[in-house]
Amino acid sequence: TQLLEQSPQFLSIQEGENLTVYCNSSSVFSSLQWYRQEPGEGPVLLVTVVTGGEVKKLKRLTFQFGDARKDSSLHITAAQPGDTGLYLCAGGGADGLTFGKGTHLIIQP
Amino acid sequence: EAQVTQNPRYLITVTGKKLTVTCSQNMNHEYMSWYRQDPGLGLRQIYYSMNVEVTDKGDVPEGYKVSRKEKRNFPLILESPSPNQTSLYFCASSSGAGLFYGYTFGSGTRLTVV
Repeated sequence: TQLLEQSPQFLSIQEGENLTVYCNSSSVFSSLQWYRQEPGEGPVLLVTVVTGGEVKKLKRLTFQFGDARKDSSLHITAAQPGDTGLYLCAGGGADGLTFGKGTHLIIQP
Repeated sequence: EAQVTQNPRYLITVTGKKLTVTCSQNMNHEYMSWYRQDPGLGLRQIYYSMNVEVTDKGDVPEGYKVSRKEKRNFPLILESPSPNQTSLYFCASSSGAGLFYGYTFGSGTRLTVV
């Protein structure tokens, strides 16, 4: 089983600040996905990145896939309380997705 | 609305009493999967199915069974539940195994085995 390490595990910042969370692996992934999960609900897909070096933007969220396709980052600009949640990265494989343990993000008003 | 429906949302049961958690999707997805989510351990795959009548073990299959007799349904069966199966369970579906396709998750089933 391929492992994905996410950091930090917990992050609490003030509204308006910027932040970056990381997803790292020793293995190469064909694709990498980011999900956001709110308490009591299932994860919801944010983005899929496929090509090494790829950058995708979703409003204030910027996702990057490492050149070697072993790591990814999620950058949030001007964080808002609505961004609060558990952010999960997942690596794509033939059998399905392998998930990291997630980053718990709290944005305080 | 495209969705994955799990039932029940909450379940408290006793050790050894067989139970089934149902999962249904309305997106004509070929791939379906079950995960459990535990604090400190994250989401771990239990079983997955590439298509009707095709199922395979994930990372933590012990104590669970699944079946895929119809494309839309993928029930999770616990023949003899034990307290270590207390967890939050998610069903997910996708157009493919996950290489390039995102998963749609159900809202989860919180199971407590006493």
